[in-house]
Amino acid sequence: DAGVIQSPRHEVTEMGQEVTLRCKPISGHNSLFWYRQTMMRGLELLIYFNNNVPIDDSGMPEDRFSAKMPNASFSTLKIQPSEPRDSAVYFCASSLALIYTGELFFGEGSRLTVL
Amino acid sequence: AQKVTQAQTEISVVEKEDVTLDCVYETRDTTYYLFWYKQPPSGELVFLIRRNSFDEQNEISGRYSWNFQKSTSSFNFTITASQVVDSAVYFCALKVGNAGNMLTFGGGTRLMVKP
Repeated sequence: DAGVIQSPRHEVTEMGQEVTLRCKPISGHNSLFWYRQTMMRGLELLIYFNNNVPIDDSGMPEDRFSAKMPNASFSTLKIQPSEPRDSAVYFCASSLALIYTGELFFGEGSRLTVL
Repeated sequence: AQKVTQAQTEISVVEKEDVTLDCVYETRDTTYYLFWYKQPPSGELVFLIRRNSFDEQNEISGRYSWNFQKSTSSFNFTITASQVVDSAVYFCALKVGNAGNMLTFGGGTRLMVKP
């Protein structure tokens, strides 16, 4: 079975450019999470969707960040304009919301470097 | 607010040694769940275990064991007879009862097992 699929795996861009990270959750999972991992701040939850609806976006750093989930099988995290401090590994995770197990299934992450 | 503290940022052991990773949590909720995740060098986080606040029974799974003590708000993880393949970053996480599948992660402990 395919796990959570993220793309790109690596992205290097220049400050000011738009960055779009993509995620395909596990089929049948109805909760999706975007996390950011940095050395300084560890793993931070950015936003959480349930049934394609954003439930909690309090972790989104600022207006430069936006996330969408147009359907159950696809989500994007966009940064516009990007800044060097956005450099991090961005993880997407999915789970079954109704049958709560606490087990989040993570993708391999997208490593973003903003120069 | 919830908080998870992993005081050990990095641990280095020699293969076959036993090692314990500490986790201390804070929450005012009486219903909560505790987790451990493993992040190998490949990057994705892998679920290891979940414990709910009403079950303080310790658990053993092969070389892994977990010690949950509500009196000290700790959920420690012990690897017996460590192996090089255990080298990874280990995260402890907390979910409170009414927080959907949102996890609060600790800062992680990097375990290096040397041959």
